[in-house]
Amino acid sequence: EVQLVESGGGLVQPGRSLRLSCTASGFTFGDYAMSWVRQAPGKGLEWVGFIRSKAYGGTTEYAASVKGRFTISRDDSKSIAYLQMNSLKTEDTAVYYCTRIVGAIDYWGQGTLVTVSS
Amino acid sequence: QSVLTQPPSVSAAPGQKVTISCSGSSSNIGNNYVSWYQQLPGTAPKLLIYENNKRPSGIPDRFSGSKSGTSATLGITGLQTGDEADYYCGTWDSSLSAGNWVFGGGTKLTVL
Repeated sequence: EVQLVESGGGLVQPGRSLRLSCTASGFTFGDYAMSWVRQAPGKGLEWVGFIRSKAYGGTTEYAASVKGRFTISRDDSKSIAYLQMNSLKTEDTAVYYCTRIVGAIDYWGQGTLVTVSS
Repeated sequence: QSVLTQPPSVSAAPGQKVTISCSGSSSNIGNNYVSWYQQLPGTAPKLLIYENNKRPSGIPDRFSGSKSGTSATLGITGLQTGDEADYYCGTWDSSLSAGNWVFGGGTKLTVL
């Protein structure tokens, strides 16, 4: 059974940093691209970015709203994907979902809440 | 403002059929597969339809998808109260860079 478990969310002040982790199980992690999707309170889904598998270069793509501030990385030996968030803004407040992406986004984690507030 | 356009809400009675539209452009829906997601209240989204019209294992055939040109449609027949949820379409978009995923704004389904 595919499982994605996010961790690392919490309350952080504007301008500070936070790193989210996504621990995967139930599939060969290194064979898949992984992505992050967020959802602000009461709002719709917003794609944050993704990281390709090593077979496709392990390169990353980001939404314009986070490019230059957020970085996605992966540790295939531990089956973990990371989302490093720097220079956080109040508008980054959201539930952050880790997802597996294979053409479609086929599996989602339960999400972790990030609140950016002073 | 979402790249893909969905109606904010739809409603229908139990047992009836409803359709949810998703409109895009040639840079997204027109040249890529569309997928659909169901988000029940307080839960994470779940994949309902992929590659325009395919259902993952465990998704009942009451749910169907189609695509024509730059638009896609999700259909739900035999509506149940448990289908009340937010529904999102999604696809790749090639207008800005080598790979961006885009979602519709979401449609809230009310089963009256």
